[in-house]
Amino acid sequence: AQSVTQPDIHITVSEGASLELRCNYSYGATPYLFWYVQSPGQGLQLLLKYFSGDTLVQGIKGFEAEFKRSQSSFNLRKPSVHWSDAAEYFCAVGAYSGAGSYQLTFGKGTKLSVIP
Amino acid sequence: NAGVTQTPKFRVLKTGQSMTLLCAQDMNHEYMYWYRQDPGMGLRLIHYSVGEGTTAKGEVPDGYNVSRLKKQNFLLGLESAAPSQTSVYFCASSTLDRLFLNTEAFFGQGTRLTVV
Repeated sequence: AQSVTQPDIHITVSEGASLELRCNYSYGATPYLFWYVQSPGQGLQLLLKYFSGDTLVQGIKGFEAEFKRSQSSFNLRKPSVHWSDAAEYFCAVGAYSGAGSYQLTFGKGTKLSVIP
Repeated sequence: NAGVTQTPKFRVLKTGQSMTLLCAQDMNHEYMYWYRQDPGMGLRLIHYSVGEGTTAKGEVPDGYNVSRLKKQNFLLGLESAAPSQTSVYFCASSTLDRLFLNTEAFFGQGTRLTVV
């Protein structure tokens, strides 16, 4: 079964600083990888996804992520953080089982705080 | 353009009461999921469905039942609510195209359930 680890529970950055949120996954083959963002009291919104091809993917709101197979990582980055980026971020891995079903497994999340 | 709609949005139950949460999607998606979100635990999969009339257990299925009688609806039932089921519940759906390339999940806004 697949699993996702987000090592950082809470990160605080200053507005305008760069950001990197870490995500490591465990899966036997190349998985489908996602980053979602959740603002307080809201549902989850997809930031970006990786299925295959170019290992650097661009998402919405200026975010990007890089898939590194050798490190089993899919870290999320943003060059300059805005106060509105304060939220909780979830990395997720999707994979098909032998029975043909598809499951989406989430990490525990990283809460981002932004200092003005 | 409703997407995924969950009802109700809030509910307070007494221990031992039963209730059903409704999830409806208008995107003709094959897959539907129920997750619960608890602080520090991320999202954990309760049950999921790969198509009308089929359901399967996820990571934390105990105390819950589900049904998918129509493709667009996925119901989550609590037969005898317990305080441990106090949580925020999210429904999601995803599509399955023939190339397995479009499997991002779309989420509802969540149902905040409190069991007293």
